[in-house]
Amino acid sequence: EPEVTQTPSHQVTQMGQEVILRCVPISNHLYFYWYRQILGQKVEFLVSFYNNEISEKSEIFDDQFSVERPDGSNFTLKIRSTKLEDSAMYFCASSSLGQGRNTEAFFGQGTRLTVV
Amino acid sequence: AQSVSQHNHHVILSEAASLELGCNYSYGGTVNLFWYVQYPGQHLQLLLKYFSGDPLVKGIKGFEAEFIKSKFSFNLRKPSVQWSDTAEYFCAVTNNAGNMLTFGGGTRLMVKP
Repeated sequence: EPEVTQTPSHQVTQMGQEVILRCVPISNHLYFYWYRQILGQKVEFLVSFYNNEISEKSEIFDDQFSVERPDGSNFTLKIRSTKLEDSAMYFCASSSLGQGRNTEAFFGQGTRLTVV
Repeated sequence: AQSVSQHNHHVILSEAASLELGCNYSYGGTVNLFWYVQYPGQHLQLLLKYFSGDPLVKGIKGFEAEFIKSKFSFNLRKPSVQWSDTAEYFCAVTNNAGNMLTFGGGTRLMVKP
């Protein structure tokens, strides 16, 4: 069964450093997402991406965050200058259609980001 | 804005017990509803989904959920749990206009053998 893969599984970084979280969505999917879950809190939507541009983003997704699809397979989330409060599990997801069009998102295993 | 509430944060059951996990959402329009499960160390997997039609939805591994529009609820049920059902369960909703899932806080289920 095709799956979404994320690397690395765990990333430790110093405050103020840039991190890039990587995802390989399912190959024929067109919509890509990032979510995060701070320990003990809800899974929160960050951003959705379609046709090489952001289609929707939450208030969390400020100027410190960016997403990119640098080639035909990878989808990355960059945090420019990490803060302690960025420590969370980051989930990538993909879907064949937009979420509002009766389709489901497939999630990766997540990257646990720890900012020290 | 839509929101999702899961009232049970932790549930402990013995094998063969029946399970019902509550999920309520707040959104006045048409919604799509989902239950995801996350087994220890694994990714979020879809258990079942409701888009339209029969409000009683059957998913994988013997799970089902019932959409009750008047109560804004989408409770998850399983008649007889197994030890392997130990996991965290997330209810989520999206509306037809949006492109994002709104998740509940999750319910951590532990099934004792």
